[in-house]
Amino acid sequence: NAGVTQTPKFQVLKTGQSMTLQCAQDMNHEYMSWYRQDPGMGLRLIHYSVGAGITDQGEVPNGYNVSRSTTEDFPLRLLSAAPSQTSVYFCASSPNRGEQFFGPGTRLTVL
Amino acid sequence: SQKIEQNSEALNIQEGKTATLTCNYTNYSPAYLQWYRQDPGRGPVFLLLIRENEKEKRKERLKVTFDTTLKQSLFHITASQPADSATYLCALDPGSSNTGKLIFGQGTTLQVKP
Repeated sequence: NAGVTQTPKFQVLKTGQSMTLQCAQDMNHEYMSWYRQDPGMGLRLIHYSVGAGITDQGEVPNGYNVSRSTTEDFPLRLLSAAPSQTSVYFCASSPNRGEQFFGPGTRLTVL
Repeated sequence: SQKIEQNSEALNIQEGKTATLTCNYTNYSPAYLQWYRQDPGRGPVFLLLIRENEKEKRKERLKVTFDTTLKQSLFHITASQPADSATYLCALDPGSSNTGKLIFGQGTTLQVKP
């Protein structure tokens, strides 16, 4: 199993550009989440999903959209990038309300 | 307001000693609490989960306690090694519906010196 994969590993955007961060898992997990990690702030939940077709907002959802058309994929879309969205983004999946499996992260810089 | 707090200052200890990390929370009633390890440039890795009705959980050199009265969890690494140097994150289920949501603390960096 590849586990949780994220692409790209690094990305530089200009203010106002849009892009999609990809996340996929091959463990047939129902739960998937997106977090951002900033220095001194820990991991903050952006959006999460409890299964295909079901998504909900986390702590910091503004400026981000998600969809979950399949169990495997959970892409995160930045609609109009802002410098405040410069961060490291982690995707995670879980089979239940317990242990989460994290991807390697995407380091995003918005100029 | 709801908060989950870990020591923001790095913890430096000598190899062989026991490291103790603290996680405090307010205004949550978590069903369980988890601890993760994160190395620089990598995603967090799950270590232990402890439920609200459990006082203590052990895994090899790791021990976690959970005091719902004090609203605190302690994470211990016994006989610490330089390879244990990393950032350790606590996370809790905020006690809401079955969503799998986790709220994370900001993490404590542990440095074990040889």
